[in-house]
Amino acid sequence: QLQLQESGPGLVKPSETLSLTCTVSGGSIGSTSFYWGWIRQPPGKGLEWIGSIYYSGNAYYNPSLKSRVNISVDTSTNQFSLKLRSVTAADSAVYYCARHVVELRPLDAFDVWGQGTMVTVSS
Amino acid sequence: EIVLTQSPATLSLSPGERATLSCRASQSVRRLLAWYQQKPGQAPRLLIYDASNRATGIPARFSGSGSETDFTLTISSLEPEDFAVYYCQQRRDWPLTFGGGTKVEIK
Repeated sequence: QLQLQESGPGLVKPSETLSLTCTVSGGSIGSTSFYWGWIRQPPGKGLEWIGSIYYSGNAYYNPSLKSRVNISVDTSTNQFSLKLRSVTAADSAVYYCARHVVELRPLDAFDVWGQGTMVTVSS
Repeated sequence: EIVLTQSPATLSLSPGERATLSCRASQSVRRLLAWYQQKPGQAPRLLIYDASNRATGIPARFSGSGSETDFTLTISSLEPEDFAVYYCQQRRDWPLTFGGGTKVEIK
């Protein structure tokens, strides 16, 4: 059974870089053709797609965050990671990692989600 | 960017009643729309993809319909576990976008 688990600091200072990792278990990032994504949700608000990546490293980003975001993948550890630079309080949110539904389809829905991790930006 | 507008913001119903949730897109998304359910403290759960296809394990009381700009999620008879927030999401174009959500609460 495929499972995703987010990990990383729960508190980040303003202007610093938020770094999160998603560990995939029960399946291999490198031996399938799915895209893997990051989505966030500020407290009490809706969902915002951040970006998605393929095992080859090909990535798509939300233009609203593109200048500050980098998503990378490490098939040897079966993980993919999110870095968000120059954070402000507006970046405080629950961050989810998730898998796209259909292989080789970057424009897609998400069918397997991690439990989410809350990141607070505060000094 | 394709904007998805969900209505109503809150739906107050009793168990056993029918729920009808709406999602309207700012431009055509063909049938490339998904629906999710989210309960407090949990990740979203995929219910419907491509407008009308139920995801694996989703009960038949959940159904989706619509195309182009107007979509509906119907829950035929609300079970106690169905009271939650529901989001739509389009995959027609970049960036992937979600609606603002509809909360289905117990009346």
